Amino acid sequence: QKEVEQNSGPLSVPEGAIASLNCTYSDRGSQSFFWYRQYSGKSPELIMFIYSNGDKEDGRFTAQLNKASQYVSLLIRDSQPSDSATYLCAVGTGANNLFFGTGTRLTVIP
Amino acid sequence: ETGVTQTPRHLVMGMTNKKSLKCEQHLGHNAMYWYKQSAKKPLELMFVYSLEERVENNSVPSRFSPECPNSSHLFLHLHTLQPEDSALYLCASSQGGTGAYGYTFGSGTRLTVV
Repeated sequence: QKEVEQNSGPLSVPEGAIASLNCTYSDRGSQSFFWYRQYSGKSPELIMFIYSNGDKEDGRFTAQLNKASQYVSLLIRDSQPSDSATYLCAVGTGANNLFFGTGTRLTVIP
Repeated sequence: ETGVTQTPRHLVMGMTNKKSLKCEQHLGHNAMYWYKQSAKKPLELMFVYSLEERVENNSVPSRFSPECPNSSHLFLHLHTLQPEDSALYLCASSQGGTGAYGYTFGSGTRLTVV
């Protein structure tokens, strides 16, 4: 069973701080890595993807991938109350599936 | 219409009913998926269709029956469900079936079985 592990939280950060979300995965053959944001009662929305080791930045979001350690993280700079949501980590192995973690609930306190 | 649309948004059904969930994607993608999301559990893959052919059935009970008449439409037919089947059912689509580019999800159907 391929596993994707996330700390369920809740993770609380003050407005303007950096939120750091972490994810580990079990399959060393994993090739693609995604972060989805899911607001309460809504469907997951893709916010970042990364395929290669290192950092990838998009606005206030930075995804970090370390395949040797089998972890991927998401940093949110200048956190806003609108960032409060559950963040899902997903990992693709090249087969017909993405494997999802249970998600980390983030609360940004004004 | 844009993206992936699902109907109905909410569904309450008895254990002896038959109902269907509908999904339509307007993105030109060639793969479609059904996922089940229950509280405190990871998203669970149910079915995958790639180029209208079912390529994966993830040990789903036969009371769930998928149908993919073309690359833009996907249905999930439900019959004789159990209360533990109550969950959010999400449809997704992607370009290619490997998930390499991520999925676009629909808004989901919140199903309650009574």
